[in-house]
Amino acid sequence: DSGVTQTPKHLITATGQRVTLRCSPRSGDLSVYWYQQSLDQGLQFLIQYYNGEERAKGNILERFSAQQFPDLHSELNLSSLELGDSALYFCASSVGGEETQYFGPGTRLLVL
Amino acid sequence: GENVEQHPSTLSVQEGDSAVIKCTYSDSASNYFPWYKQELGKRPQLIIDIRSNVGEKKDQRIAVTLNKTAKHFSLHITETQPEDSAVYFCAGPDDRGSTLGRLYFGRGTQLTVWP
Repeated sequence: DSGVTQTPKHLITATGQRVTLRCSPRSGDLSVYWYQQSLDQGLQFLIQYYNGEERAKGNILERFSAQQFPDLHSELNLSSLELGDSALYFCASSVGGEETQYFGPGTRLLVL
Repeated sequence: GENVEQHPSTLSVQEGDSAVIKCTYSDSASNYFPWYKQELGKRPQLIIDIRSNVGEKKDQRIAVTLNKTAKHFSLHITETQPEDSAVYFCAGPDDRGSTLGRLYFGRGTQLTVWP
């Protein structure tokens, strides 16, 4: 157990819908990262937050957005969902930036 | 920075043999290099990491070497076992040289260890 929690574990929804994925970092970690992993694909970096502020952006679609709250938990919002958005979404946290990232168990999203 | 290249993409070895996975990076300011292991359907887990002030680090059957001049670092697994079968990812830090930067992950190596 890495200490990073993600909810829900599984999510099944339909195209066009909107979902919210939630992540709670390890106690004391200020940075939160979101990754998308499709079948047989690597870890695609989406976005990083540090202490509530957006720090870095990767290949995140405009239909996706995220935020980090004052209690440091983070939410990833995915809207106008498409079949291709089906993937495993991981959250990771670290103390700062250039430090070990600890991954949560992931949320498996299936868009039908 | 952004260019962390990982080779090979797949690697098959016989149980007991050694496995080596190599990553190259482009930014000379990089100084933190972790390796992650991801079993099917599970989270990536850190197995070993190295900072630029050392050239090699070992943890039982796993070792990582770093060559800053050539800008590459490698994961070495000795006496491989079937349970070592997984996808391995290397990572390198942000090219901004900031302690708040993100990690860039390689594309992964699928290691299969045959009994």
